[in-house]
Amino acid sequence: QVQLVESGGGVVQPGKSLRLSCAASGFTFISHGLHWVRQAPGKGLEWVAYIWYDGGNKYYADSVKGRFTISRDNSQNTVFLQMNSLRVEDTALYYCARDASLLGTTDYFDHWGQGTPVTVSS
Amino acid sequence: SSEVTQDPAVSVALGQTVTITCLGDKLKNFYASWYQQRPGQAPRLVLYGKNNRPSGIPDRFSGSYSRNTASLTITGAQAEDEADYYCNSRDRNANPLFGGGTKLTVL
Repeated sequence: QVQLVESGGGVVQPGKSLRLSCAASGFTFISHGLHWVRQAPGKGLEWVAYIWYDGGNKYYADSVKGRFTISRDNSQNTVFLQMNSLRVEDTALYYCARDASLLGTTDYFDHWGQGTPVTVSS
Repeated sequence: SSEVTQDPAVSVALGQTVTITCLGDKLKNFYASWYQQRPGQAPRLVLYGKNNRPSGIPDRFSGSYSRNTASLTITGAQAEDEADYYCNSRDRNANPLFGGGTKLTVL
């Protein structure tokens, strides 16, 4: 079955960096794009970033553009989120989610991980 | 506007029918998808496309569209349907955009 397991979350000071990982299994990794979606405590879902199946295109929410970078290693079935210049408002549970589409364009999120928590605090 | 709007809270009596709506300009051009999130759990896809349910989602969940509004209907709501429901549409750049979520209470 499809599994997405996030890791790398933690507590970090404002302005610092953190790198999240999402290890995938149970499907042909290179066939699907992958997203990061976050949820601040007590708040709704916020889409963060998306990477095409082959890494050829990447898209970001305005709130993280220029600070976060999504990447993937298709040899390791892993997607990453490098988060730089972190802000207090980046505090959230970060989910990895698979895009259902087998093409590059986004469609919908058909499988989700359990999330990894990120706390930005001084 | 690139917003996606949902009612913050809706309630339904056990066994009755409830509709959760999602309003957004891009819904004229793109299908919505719907996600259920129970407390302490990750979101789960419950509806996508015109009116499609993933494997394992009961057929009491259905979807419909009218102009720029997508609707999720639960026919015969069960206690386990109590959750937050999020629709997903697109922003002005065609990137995913979630609504604010609707908290469904089953009475």
